[in-house]
Amino acid sequence: DIQMTQSPASLSASLEEIVTITCQASQDIGNWLSWYQQKPGKSPQLLIYGATSLADGVPSRFSGSRSGTQYSLKISRLQVEDIGIYYCLQAYSAPYTFGAGTKLELK
Amino acid sequence: QVQLKESGPGLVQPSETLSLTCTVSGFSLTSYSVSWVRQPSGKGPEWMGRMWYDGDTAYNSALKSRLSISRDTSKNQVFLKMNSLQTDDTGTYYCTREGHALFAYWGQGTLVTVSS
Repeated sequence: DIQMTQSPASLSASLEEIVTITCQASQDIGNWLSWYQQKPGKSPQLLIYGATSLADGVPSRFSGSRSGTQYSLKISRLQVEDIGIYYCLQAYSAPYTFGAGTKLELK
Repeated sequence: QVQLKESGPGLVQPSETLSLTCTVSGFSLTSYSVSWVRQPSGKGPEWMGRMWYDGDTAYNSALKSRLSISRDTSKNQVFLKMNSLQTDDTGTYYCTREGHALFAYWGQGTLVTVSS
């Protein structure tokens, strides 16, 4: 199975700050990487697909990038509504695997 | 609009079989695949398996021996059955539509507790 190593596990940041979360794939997964935000008691919400494409309705302060087998999610100016847990997901091959998650809190 | 909704028993006895239904609307099961994803409380999600749009299935190898996914296209429903449930199978179970943008649509989830 492909392993997705996500870091950091938790992150405390201030409003308007730039936030970056990364996922390292254990092998080449091309652009089959998506990012999700989850809030307590809610289903995960798609933010980024194809490593860099912004999902419909997602604010442009979210962006995704790729460097080899390392993938990053960037929030350019943190807002209160961005607080939650973020997960990456590889869909290159079954079983699809999620990162362990990054809990984003306000400082 | 696209909607998915999970339904099933909230409580299952250890060693028993879990049966869940995902009822979809706003799209055809013969055009889109549907996956099941589960999430233990306080932990990350786990992809369980998929019903392909063509009727084929794919399973997480860690669950394959216990898991079965089927569908009824006339009722717009996808079914999950998993046997020999244990306490670590407790969690929220989601169905989600798979498209070019991966999992853009999710059900609200259904909490399953395995306990005697």
